Amino acid sequence: DAKTTQPPSMDCAEGRAANLPCNHSTISGNEYVYWYRQIHSQGPQYIIHGLKNNETNEMASLIITEDRKSSTLILPHATLRDTAVYYCIVRVGNSGGSNYKLTFGKGTLLTVNP
Amino acid sequence: DAGITQSPRYKITETGRQVTLMCHQTWSHSYMFWYRQDLGHGLRLIYYSAAADITDKGEVPDGYVVSRSKTENFPLTLESATRSQTSVYFCASREMGSWLNEQFFGPGTRLTVL
Repeated sequence: DAKTTQPPSMDCAEGRAANLPCNHSTISGNEYVYWYRQIHSQGPQYIIHGLKNNETNEMASLIITEDRKSSTLILPHATLRDTAVYYCIVRVGNSGGSNYKLTFGKGTLLTVNP
Repeated sequence: DAGITQSPRYKITETGRQVTLMCHQTWSHSYMFWYRQDLGHGLRLIYYSAAADITDKGEVPDGYVVSRSKTENFPLTLESATRSQTSVYFCASREMGSWLNEQFFGPGTRLTVL
């Protein structure tokens, strides 16, 4: 799986958009970008994933650059409850074989301030 | 209740004792995983299981034993606990056939080995 690079921490004002960057310059053509987050003392929680098109769900938007070497997770209106460590993970996205593992890096600690 | 549960949530034990951490999921997911989380290391995969009676090692399996006699349960045993196994342990599961490949995590067990 390709390695990812994320800033160790970021701050965001409540109600504003939080834009979390992730660099994955060695990503392969069949690798997806996944985002998980971990709120303090809880298990990680899936947010969103994508291959090359931008994706949006009820939690967030994922913007992937055209060359796929980087991506940005966008929380459109951050709340205090969004304070968490956000993990960007790159991995092959098929559902069978041995491609089941998630490799977590150190992530980005997003602090949403009132 | 539907979901994935872990027990106990907190455990203090002594060096050399055997400890078993329990994980139970109600979705009948094929895959189950055990991770440990330590400061400075993020989440690391200990063991995983693709189905009942099928288990395999992850990144850090030494000192741990797993079994999976039933699809819904995936206990993790520390046969002779050491201080270095003090950590937060997370169990996770996912459905094999899911294109989404999302992993669902339990709430974690905080283990302290004295």
